[in-house]
Amino acid sequence: GQQVMQIPQYQHVQEGEDFTTYCNSSTTLSNIQWYKQRPGGHPVFLIQLVKSGEVKKQKRLTFQFGEAKKNSSLHITATQTTDVGTYFCAGVWVGSARQLTFGSGTQLTVLP
Amino acid sequence: DGGITQSPKYLFRKEGQNVTLSCEQNLNHDAMYWYRQDPGQGLRLIYYSQIVNDFQKGDIAEGYSVSREKKESFPLTVTSAQKNPTAFYLCASSFVSGNHQPQHFGDGTRLSIL
Repeated sequence: GQQVMQIPQYQHVQEGEDFTTYCNSSTTLSNIQWYKQRPGGHPVFLIQLVKSGEVKKQKRLTFQFGEAKKNSSLHITATQTTDVGTYFCAGVWVGSARQLTFGSGTQLTVLP
Repeated sequence: DGGITQSPKYLFRKEGQNVTLSCEQNLNHDAMYWYRQDPGQGLRLIYYSQIVNDFQKGDIAEGYSVSREKKESFPLTVTSAQKNPTAFYLCASSFVSGNHQPQHFGDGTRLSIL
């Protein structure tokens, strides 16, 4: 079945280093959303990307949607300990009646 | 404050027992969702509802049942037919539109087998 593949599964960085997580789909996505889940918490919506090649920024976070709308990335510049958590992408396929499909997430650990 | 309330926070199920997880929202959202989260995995959709008195199966509906008698409430029953119910269950809600609106999540219920 259709899946959204997300890599890496785990990432450990030193505070101040950059971090990137990637999502890939074999078929074209209608849109993609990103969520953050803090340890012991629930997912919180970060952003939605809809247009081909779209780039959005939220302070140190940069979100990109590929030109073919089959991949997306989240980049965090100069990580802080408050960035700790699991980052999920969630996509909807073009022409699909399905709801959001979540990737497996990237668990980020920031070492002080 | 508007939000989604899930209860209980922790739940234990005996073999052969049905249990019901509560989800209430006061965000005036039309759509509500139930997800299951297992360690190291993403969220998998169990059931969703876009309007009162109507709901649809998600990817892993077997062993679960839901009802949507009120806009604010979407309880999930984990039946005895669900052989591996131990997981973190998340309820979410959103407005309904053509572009899949952001989902707002409750704090979740952790279900374990005794």
